[in-house]
Amino acid sequence: EAGVTQFPSHSVIEKGQTVTLRCDPISGHDNLYWYRRVMGKEIKFLLHFVKESKQDESGMPNNRFLAERTGGTYSTLKVQPAELEDSGVYFCASSRGMGLHGYTFGSGTRLTVV
Amino acid sequence: AQSVTQLGSHVSVSEGALVLLRCNYSSSVPPYLFWYVQYPNQGLQLLLKYTTGATLVKGINGFEAEFKKSETSFHLTKPSAHMSDAAEYFCAVSSYSSASKIIFGSGTRLSIRP
Repeated sequence: EAGVTQFPSHSVIEKGQTVTLRCDPISGHDNLYWYRRVMGKEIKFLLHFVKESKQDESGMPNNRFLAERTGGTYSTLKVQPAELEDSGVYFCASSRGMGLHGYTFGSGTRLTVV
Repeated sequence: AQSVTQLGSHVSVSEGALVLLRCNYSSSVPPYLFWYVQYPNQGLQLLLKYTTGATLVKGINGFEAEFKKSETSFHLTKPSAHMSDAAEYFCAVSSYSSASKIIFGSGTRLSIRP
């Protein structure tokens, strides 16, 4: 089966601009997660979708971040306006069930805000 | 609340030597424990996991880890390092009640000396 696909793989934007990251989960995986690793720090949870519904968005840092999963398939994560501290690697993951046995991660999107 | 501490942000071993990456966790409920690996320019890949049952778990590429409840540890080992093991390794914890949210350690970068 195809893995979790994220694009773009890299994005460099200026402070104040908008960026949209996309994640295509493994087909049939109802659960989709976003995580982020800011330079040199831990990988941190952002949010969790079950199909098109946000199950847990407790990790979203502020209202400049908007995640959607229309139709319960792919998901987008928009940052508007981007700030310098948003730079990092954004990982998407998916799982068929609740992820008790781990997820399948994508290769990430490296976002650089200058 | 759950947390993970990885001892050593960078570990260097000689090819053929024992690999030991240390991980201690904190959890008020029975933990689910994971080791993920990130090879250069790739996503996070699940190496192995402990949920219930046997405390010594074997993963891919010859790695194994032992869950020691009394020591709150889940150290990762491999008897003989190979050059291809050079990567960053992440210990992570979750639980049945928080399966949508994995808590990661800060990562250990493993280097292999020829």
